Amino acid sequence: EAGVAQSPRYKIIEKRQSVAFWCNPISGHATLYWYQQILGQGPKLLIQFQNNGVVDDSQLPKDRFSAERLKGVDSTLKIQPAKLEDSAVYLCASSFWNTIYFGEGSWLTVV
Amino acid sequence: DAKTTQPNSMESNEEEPVHLPCNHSTISGTDYIHWYRQLPSQGPEYVIHGLTSNVNNRMASLAIAEDRKSSTLILHRATLRDAAVYYCILRDAEYGNKLVFGAGTILRVKS
Repeated sequence: EAGVAQSPRYKIIEKRQSVAFWCNPISGHATLYWYQQILGQGPKLLIQFQNNGVVDDSQLPKDRFSAERLKGVDSTLKIQPAKLEDSAVYLCASSFWNTIYFGEGSWLTVV
Repeated sequence: DAKTTQPNSMESNEEEPVHLPCNHSTISGTDYIHWYRQLPSQGPEYVIHGLTSNVNNRMASLAIAEDRKSSTLILHRATLRDAAVYYCILRDAEYGNKLVFGAGTILRVKS
């Protein structure tokens, strides 16, 4: 069974530039999550989708972050404009029932 | 979200059992106890989960206190590949609910 796919794996951008991360969840998984993990901390939920609807985006900085999940399958997370404090790993995850499966993450460095 | 308390770090010798404790005194009746681990440079991976009874799988065992206010993840024979950050998380039984991560326990395994 294929896992959660994410790209790109690594990205370095200058502050105020924009970046987009893509996620393809496990086939058939209706729930998709984006987490942000800053070095040395546990992952923090940014947004949760159920099919193509948003369930929870209470911790998404909406002035600069946006996410969509068109057609209820793959998803894109965008940051515009990026700040230095956005340097982190962005983890995508999907679930069908009780187990959540994570991708390897997209590592973002903002300089 | 109900909170969990874990030690910051633990150390174990290779081939010996490891008991990772977790306190969750504010657990509600519908909260499942989940354990995930995160190896270096990877996304978190599911280890085990339970509600009231002790659980075993090929990776680990989960011992849950009778009052459910604490639990212990047991690795029966630690290997170097078990060195990771272990997260104890309470997850509501509602379908598709999120995982709220704390800081976790850093497990070091000595050869």
